[in-house]
Amino acid sequence: QSVLTQPPSVSGAPGQRVTISCTGGSSNLGADYDVSWYQHLPGTAPKLLIFGNTYRPSGVPDRFSGSKSGASASLAITGLQPEDEADYYCQSSDSRLNGDVVFGGGTRLTVL
Amino acid sequence: EVQLVESGGGLVEPGGSLRLSCVASGFTFSAFDMAWVRQAPGKGLEWVSYISGGSVTKTYAASVRGRFTISRDNAKNSLFLQMNSLRAEDTAVYYCAREIGYDANANYNTYFDSWGHGTLVTVSS
Repeated sequence: QSVLTQPPSVSGAPGQRVTISCTGGSSNLGADYDVSWYQHLPGTAPKLLIFGNTYRPSGVPDRFSGSKSGASASLAITGLQPEDEADYYCQSSDSRLNGDVVFGGGTRLTVL
Repeated sequence: EVQLVESGGGLVEPGGSLRLSCVASGFTFSAFDMAWVRQAPGKGLEWVSYISGGSVTKTYAASVRGRFTISRDNAKNSLFLQMNSLRAEDTAVYYCAREIGYDANANYNTYFDSWGHGTLVTVSS
């Protein structure tokens, strides 16, 4: 049972837009902790996509965007491409865990 | 280019020990906090442990506290995880990650901007 809740799976056709939600509570996202997002293909190093709710590291396409409102956050991917098929994780911190890092359970994105 | 390369994984019996290593390159290692994150088979990412740049602060997830010890050797650009009293549920790919911390909204926030490819630890008899 992850502290941050994500849908197990989402899907979309090439070129479409998909969103992945991340729902927390009053001790993490609702307590104004920022959220980050990662892309992970099995057997590879996870890749940072979004930090500080909305910021993209250099090299991450602007097809990826993040937002946060209250205890919920979202990752949006526009212009879906086959290579976007991967697992996506949100991450924040939790005051009930002394500020320790918490991850969402992950969402598998399938490009149809 | 930032590179993190883990090693030391393998098969170990329940109750046994293992020491993981992570060698860093491409950045001033001592200036950055580091962490270990793991992924059990079929599961999501789980934060394991954190160490500050100068080793002053170390924190652990409840699931490993008292059994795992994080350390670093800044002269050798290396991060370590000593794992004792291993259990079947510790079976996972272990990643080392560079951690970035900052203050915002009266909170101390963190994220991981670079990761290694991981090393597999299997605890089984």
